[in-house]
Amino acid sequence: AQKVTQAQTEISVVEKEDVTLDCVYETRDTTYYLFWYKQPPSGELVFLIRRNSFDEQNEISGRYSWNFQKSTSSFNFTITASQVVDSAVYFCALSGTSYDKVIFGPGTSLSVIP
Amino acid sequence: DTEVTQTPKHLVMGMTNKKSLKCEQHMGHRAMYWYKQKAKKPPELMFVYSYEKLSINESVPSRFSPECPNSSLLNLHLHALQPEDSALYLCASSRAGTSGTIAGELFFGEGSRLTVL
Repeated sequence: AQKVTQAQTEISVVEKEDVTLDCVYETRDTTYYLFWYKQPPSGELVFLIRRNSFDEQNEISGRYSWNFQKSTSSFNFTITASQVVDSAVYFCALSGTSYDKVIFGPGTSLSVIP
Repeated sequence: DTEVTQTPKHLVMGMTNKKSLKCEQHMGHRAMYWYKQKAKKPPELMFVYSYEKLSINESVPSRFSPECPNSSLLNLHLHALQPEDSALYLCASSRAGTSGTIAGELFFGEGSRLTVL
């Protein structure tokens, strides 16, 4: 069975603070894919990143960075110098051998206060 | 603007009605998805079509009937729904392939918010 856990239900930060969103996953597949999606108040989910299970290289994209650690089954997401526009629900997601089956974690609601 | 278009944006229906949700994409994607999302919950996978064939049905009740008339269109036919079926229904598409190298990058529409009275 596959499972994604996001222990932080809600986070509030003041603008310009850094914030890390945690994601822990469970899977028996040896090949799997991890994702982060953003869902702003408008409702449309937006793809942010995908990582393959065999590529543990961390990634940075502007103010966003991701830390993938297979040893702890974690795929954490850090926003540096947060902005009000970052306020959204962030979902970590997982797919395995049945790669079309993308399972979402419960989500973390991030509020960035001006 | 989203490249996955869903209509209608809002739908109110009675438990005896028959209605349909529609989804269209013109990105050449060959995998299309229906997800259901309740308030403050994550999207839950319902159906996946790959190359116009139903590849995944997550044990969805038969009152939800998906249809993929062609590679650009995806419908969800609704009949005899229950009030607990009220939710945001999200359509998504992705490139499909025979390997996982392009797995999971889903493009979502804005959703159809369904209320069942």
